[in-house]
Amino acid sequence: DAMVIQNPRYQVTQFGKPVTLSCSQTLNHNVMYWYQQKSSQAPKLLFHYYDKDFNNEADTPDNFQSRRPNTSFCFLDIRSPGLGDAAMYLCATSSREQGYTQYFGPGTRLTVL
Amino acid sequence: KQEVTQIPAALSVPEGENLVLNCSFTDSAIYNLQWFRQDPGKGLTSLLLIQSSQREQTSGRLNASLDKSSGRSTLYIAASQPGDSATYLCAVPMYSGGGADGLTFGKGTHLIIQP
Repeated sequence: DAMVIQNPRYQVTQFGKPVTLSCSQTLNHNVMYWYQQKSSQAPKLLFHYYDKDFNNEADTPDNFQSRRPNTSFCFLDIRSPGLGDAAMYLCATSSREQGYTQYFGPGTRLTVL
Repeated sequence: KQEVTQIPAALSVPEGENLVLNCSFTDSAIYNLQWFRQDPGKGLTSLLLIQSSQREQTSGRLNASLDKSSGRSTLYIAASQPGDSATYLCAVPMYSGGGADGLTFGKGTHLIIQP
């Protein structure tokens, strides 16, 4: 089945230790998104790629970076995680052909010690 | 930038009842509206997407309606089952007219179906 895959599902890191979260997709969608969802809150967009074009949200901290080396993969890098960055990180994809319906992966739960 | 509100925040009903979840958004110039389901500790599952030109969409026991002019959408769940228990989120593209934009979500309705 075509899908959005996130690895790892659970990630534990130490305060200030860089961490990378991975997202891959077999849907061949040209748009990919990263959202942050803190406990009991709605998901919040960090940034998205339209093809290779990177679109950063104005209020996304500089601590968060992203890379998209090809259509299938997208990475979220947190350069110096703080306790406030503990959250579920959700990757999603969409395409014009499917009316920009967003399809989400299972998420990566990040714990910062 | 859009703002999305969902009412009620929580709902508990006996199994078998029909129910309606409400969503409102501030800017009527939306490209589409999407309803999601989220189980505890899990990702989001897309339930229905309504394009701006559509009035409603149906999938099984779910029916979503859209009234752009009033900035409202409803999700109707027929013959509710305990397996429907989850948080239901409504979302629209963040910026007017944008389709590929990221989504602005409501805070969700936490639904419990009592067996």
